[in-house]
Amino acid sequence: SQQGEEDPQALSIQEGENATMNCSYKTSINNLQWYRQNSGRGLVHLILIRSNEREKHSGRLRVTLDTSKKSSSLLITASRAADTASYFCATDAFNTDKLIFGTGTRLQVFP
Amino acid sequence: GAGVSQSPSNKVTEKGKDVELRCDPISGHTALYWYRQSLGQGLEFLIYFQGNSAPDKSGLPSDRFSAERTGGSVSTLTIQRTQQEDSAVYLCASNRFGLTDTQYFGPGTRLTVL
Repeated sequence: SQQGEEDPQALSIQEGENATMNCSYKTSINNLQWYRQNSGRGLVHLILIRSNEREKHSGRLRVTLDTSKKSSSLLITASRAADTASYFCATDAFNTDKLIFGTGTRLQVFP
Repeated sequence: GAGVSQSPSNKVTEKGKDVELRCDPISGHTALYWYRQSLGQGLEFLIYFQGNSAPDKSGLPSDRFSAERTGGSVSTLTIQRTQQEDSAVYLCASNRFGLTDTQYFGPGTRLTVL
């Protein structure tokens, strides 16, 4: 079964608005990563946050991690049409050799 | 430098046939991963190689699936006696340091089993 669940499943916004996506997971982790996927093909890494970090920024991206709630959020500020894609969180749980992906959020940004 | 490459990009096969999917990781990356993504779904972890060995094969869906890696580089994922439920995009990724490191993905192979 999948480790991560993301919400919303789909999100539609206008250019310039902020987009927030949430990820919840089930077990203790070493780190959590966010990836972006265009058109159902290869994924592109966006940001990695370690279990001892609470917030991280990269350009227009802001990621938070709350290990007590086993949840993370990805905020994209001032969205652009080019941000349209599916976004996935991924976690590596302790004592496993697996990276488990969430179900993904499909983001549509309208110009 | 070159990224992760996969071949073929698309494969259409008949039910019952065997298929072989190939992944060329980024040079120097010791860790290699295979995932499966069904239409509109998240990624399903299949197997992870560190060098030529796979510590955990439990993600492979059935004994029709096998994977190998030789020379610490190229990997092949073989599906025997394909079934329609095997239809999916098969994604490969690699990195230097394993699960705590960013993964670099290939473009995937879209497999369609008729």
